[in-house]
Amino acid sequence: DAMVIQNPRYQVTQFGKPVTLSCSQTLNHNVMYWYQQKSSQAPKLLFHYYDKDFNNEADTPDNFQSRRPNTSFCFLDIRSPGLGDTAMYLCATSRDREGLLTYEQYFGPGTRLTVT
Amino acid sequence: ILNVEQSPQSLHVQEGDSTNFTCSFPSSNFYALHWYRWETAKSPEALFVMTLNGDEKKKGRISATLNTKEGYSYLYIKGSQPEDSATYLCAFQVWRKLQFGAGTQVVVTP
Repeated sequence: DAMVIQNPRYQVTQFGKPVTLSCSQTLNHNVMYWYQQKSSQAPKLLFHYYDKDFNNEADTPDNFQSRRPNTSFCFLDIRSPGLGDTAMYLCATSRDREGLLTYEQYFGPGTRLTVT
Repeated sequence: ILNVEQSPQSLHVQEGDSTNFTCSFPSSNFYALHWYRWETAKSPEALFVMTLNGDEKKKGRISATLNTKEGYSYLYIKGSQPEDSATYLCAFQVWRKLQFGAGTQVVVTP
């Protein structure tokens, strides 16, 4: 089945120690998104890629970076994690189709990151 | 920042009972309203994408309505079953991005 895969599912890292979260997709979608969800809050968009074009949200901290080496993979790098970065990180994909205004997103199961 | 509000935050339902909950969103610059179901340890799953005022969509025992003029959507679960236990998220589409609400957590008890 075509899907969105995130690795690892759980990650514990120390304060200040860089961490990378991985997302891969077999849907061949051209748009990929990263969300952060803190406990009981709405998922918050960090950034997204439209093909190779990176689109950062205005309020995403500089500490968060992303890479998309090819269509299938996208990485979230947190350069110096703080305690406040403990959250669920969700990856999603969608496909841009000409004339279609709706962007249905397909999600991975998330990576639960704990910063200690 | 667009505010997407969901209420209630959580609710407990007896098996067999029906329930509904609300998503409110900005009524201007409307593209689409998305509903997702998110079960614990699984991926959020798309339920509905709604685009037209007055839209009603149905999937099994779950249905949703949309009022774009007043900026709200209702999601209904008829005859709740334990497998309906999940967090239900709504999201307001802006261009190719989604602005999510915090969700309504539904717990169905036998």
